[in-house]
Amino acid sequence: DAGITQSPRYKITETGRQVTLMCHQTWSHSYMFWYRQDLGHGLRLIYYSAAADITDKGEVPDGYVVSRSKTENFPLTLESATRSQTSVYFCASSEPASGGETQYFGPGTRLLVL
Amino acid sequence: AQSVTQLDSHVSVSEGTPVLLRCNYSSSYSPSLFWYVQHPNKGLQLLLKYTSAATLVKGINGFEAEFKKSETSFHLTKPSAHMSDAAEYFCVVSAKRAAGNKLTFGGGTRVLVKP
Repeated sequence: DAGITQSPRYKITETGRQVTLMCHQTWSHSYMFWYRQDLGHGLRLIYYSAAADITDKGEVPDGYVVSRSKTENFPLTLESATRSQTSVYFCASSEPASGGETQYFGPGTRLLVL
Repeated sequence: AQSVTQLDSHVSVSEGTPVLLRCNYSSSYSPSLFWYVQHPNKGLQLLLKYTSAATLVKGINGFEAEFKKSETSFHLTKPSAHMSDAAEYFCVVSAKRAAGNKLTFGGGTRVLVKP
């Protein structure tokens, strides 16, 4: 019962580099989400996806790109990393179709941009 | 529009004493409300949720929360704190949208448990 996994768990990169954070869930949930967690801001939604090939912006989408070619995967790409994108990133999934409003979270990826 | 205010950024309790974490919300719709816990360097774990059934909701690890519509509150309590309860707690409100459920997080309350 793997649930929802994220990789890498820790990443250090440099300003201007492209970085991709991976998220994989084994529940076949239709909805997936990416959040970032920063001191003083709590969790903020970056992007979400209602199904394969359907994505939409959240509260703080600038500088990020997502894709969802398969239901189980929802990668998040920082096209040109900036120091302000240093954060902890959480992926989550849910299945509203079955009445499940609850979002289940992955363990997080700590990203440091130098 | 919806918002969540956690009234205390830090709470310190002694082991064996009650814990109270306060949360007020606002929502244009009948909300669903959640409490999540985050232990250091871990992901978020669901403690409990309210979805318009019983107003007193019991969760895991002895926690419970009471939904009070008149006060727009959803405070989290536990009768007796344990050392393992030291963590950060998030009150969350959800509003159903056609495109999915948007979660709005409170700023978090960090709980310290003293021996």
